[in-house]
Amino acid sequence: AQSVTQLDSHVSVSEGTPVLLRCNYSSSYSPSLFWYVQHPNKGLQLLLKYTSAATLVKGINGFEAEFKKSETSFHLTKPSAHMSDAAEYFCVVSFSGGYQKVTFGTGTKLQVIP
Amino acid sequence: DAGVIQSPRHEVTEMGQEVTLRCKPISGHDYLFWYRQTMMRGLELLIYFNNNVPIDDSGMPEDRFSAKMPNASFSTLKIQPSEPRDSAVYFCASSLANYGYTFGSGTRLTVV
Repeated sequence: AQSVTQLDSHVSVSEGTPVLLRCNYSSSYSPSLFWYVQHPNKGLQLLLKYTSAATLVKGINGFEAEFKKSETSFHLTKPSAHMSDAAEYFCVVSFSGGYQKVTFGTGTKLQVIP
Repeated sequence: DAGVIQSPRHEVTEMGQEVTLRCKPISGHDYLFWYRQTMMRGLELLIYFNNNVPIDDSGMPEDRFSAKMPNASFSTLKIQPSEPRDSAVYFCASSLANYGYTFGSGTRLTVV
């Protein structure tokens, strides 16, 4: 069975400092991996996706993630946090080769301190 | 493109009443998903459709829940009768091939 683990339920950073949100997955097959962001009382927005092309994926709003097969990880990073980045972030994995059935992580709430 | 449109945004109903949630996917998308989000259980996939056909409804919690997709531009999720434990935010999402889900803004359901 596929699974995804977000290692931190809450992350707090100061504005202007780097962001690291961690995600690990388990699978016997090559996965497709995604990061979504959810601002309060909003829907989920796709930040970036990995589907077996380049292992370093660039997304919107300055975020990027690196797929590391040896570590079964897909951590999300940003060089400098903005106040507007405060939200909940979900790591999502699919092993069906598409979007038909995915597994959501439990989410990481990012707090940005002024 | 207006994105995935859900209605209503908020719904407050009394226990035992029927509730219908509506979703209009992005034109051209061939997959439609219904999710439920609660603090306790996070995001749960309830059901998804491909080309208007239900593919997997194993996440539908009980027979009180039903979903339909009569055409490519409209889907409903119905709860009858509703119970307080159904209170949650219900999201609809649509997708095309490998471009990722686009989520609607959700319907916040409160059953009192």
